[in-house]
Amino acid sequence: AQSVTQLDSHVSVSEGTPVLLRCNYSSSYSPSLFWYVQHPNKGLQLLLKYTSAATLVKGINGFEAEFKKSETSFHLTKPSAHMSDAAEYFCVLGGSQGNLIFGKGTKLSVKP
Amino acid sequence: NAGVMQNPRHLVRRRGQEARLRCSPMKGHSHVYWYRQLPEEGLKFMVYLQKENIIDESGMPKERFSAEFPKEGPSILRIQQVVRGDSAAYFCASSPAGLSGANVLTFGAGSRLTVL
Repeated sequence: AQSVTQLDSHVSVSEGTPVLLRCNYSSSYSPSLFWYVQHPNKGLQLLLKYTSAATLVKGINGFEAEFKKSETSFHLTKPSAHMSDAAEYFCVLGGSQGNLIFGKGTKLSVKP
Repeated sequence: NAGVMQNPRHLVRRRGQEARLRCSPMKGHSHVYWYRQLPEEGLKFMVYLQKENIIDESGMPKERFSAEFPKEGPSILRIQQVVRGDSAAYFCASSPAGLSGANVLTFGAGSRLTVL
């Protein structure tokens, strides 16, 4: 069965400090993995995607994620948080039927 | 490029009424997906459609919910006899072809349904 687990429902960091949002997946085939961001009352914006090329994936706004098959993880990181990064982040697995399987989301708060 | 357009952005209905949510995919996209986001939850897949075809409706509730994507015009998600539990944000996404590792969905801003 395919599934994705976001290990933290809330993460709070101070502006200028690193961000780590954790995601683990379960898949019986080579996965496609995505991170999306959702700002309040807005739609979803793609941050980055992994599709079996380079394991370190760089996305928009300074975010990146590393695919680790041995750990079945795809954690999202950013070296220095900005106030505008406050949002909800979703780790997403490409499903075998062509749909997307979403994690429950991690709300990121950034303190000044 | 206007992106994926959803309307209405906000819809209020009383219990027992019908809700119709519309989605116009991105120009050149022929595949539409509907997702539902309940409060404090991630998005859950509902249905995947091509023009005049339902490809996968495994996430649709068995009763009261239906979706269509006609040859002309937007895709419509229809909820009959709404109940309070239908209150959610409904997101539409589109892609140029069936989802594969290389394809990525483009999401609309969502339609927020409130059932009183």
